[in-house]
Amino acid sequence: KAGVTQTPRYLIKTRGQQVTLSCSPISGHRSVSWYQQTPGQGLQFLFEYFSETQRNKGNFPGRFSGRQFSNSRSEMNVSTLELGDSALYLCASSKGTITDTQYFGPGTRLTVL
Amino acid sequence: GQQVMQIPQYQHVQEGEDFTTYCNSSTTLSNIQWYKQRPGGHPVFLIQLVKSGEVKKQKRLTFQFGEAKKNSSLHITATQTTDVGTYFCAGGVSGNTGKLIFGQGTTLQVKP
Repeated sequence: KAGVTQTPRYLIKTRGQQVTLSCSPISGHRSVSWYQQTPGQGLQFLFEYFSETQRNKGNFPGRFSGRQFSNSRSEMNVSTLELGDSALYLCASSKGTITDTQYFGPGTRLTVL
Repeated sequence: GQQVMQIPQYQHVQEGEDFTTYCNSSTTLSNIQWYKQRPGGHPVFLIQLVKSGEVKKQKRLTFQFGEAKKNSSLHITATQTTDVGTYFCAGGVSGNTGKLIFGQGTTLQVKP
């Protein structure tokens, strides 16, 4: 079974731009979660999608948004990028609920200049 | 809000020494999961504990879930350089939509 894939793997943007990251979950997994990881901050939960609906949301500003398609693929968008948005963005999929085992993708490394 | 605290944040050990990381939750958990992230990698699932007082072993790794289902520990016996990485616990909280709360992680360095 193919694992979780994320594209692109690396991205460099400038302040004020917007960015869209993509995640393809493991086949059959319906829950997709997004996390932001920065040094010293651990894994910060952004949101979770299940069956095209946002089911859980973390404490991030409205500049961070996401969506899920009918094939469970998910995208997250960050508008008006700030320097502090530089991070590793991880996507994780699970079979049904967010409390099931999370299978993480390799992440997208975003650098904001 | 609900939190999972993990200590210590960093641990440096000599190869062959033991290592333990602890997680404490502010709320009763439905399960606890452990993940390992190697440097430059992504978190990889190690194990899940569900029952109160449960103990599971994977070779040199021993995982425990507290009786009150609010705390957990991961103990590594006789560390090796391959154990280097960050270990995260994640507490599952049941509810309408459920939650998975990650601890801040413990970064383990092993000196050969």
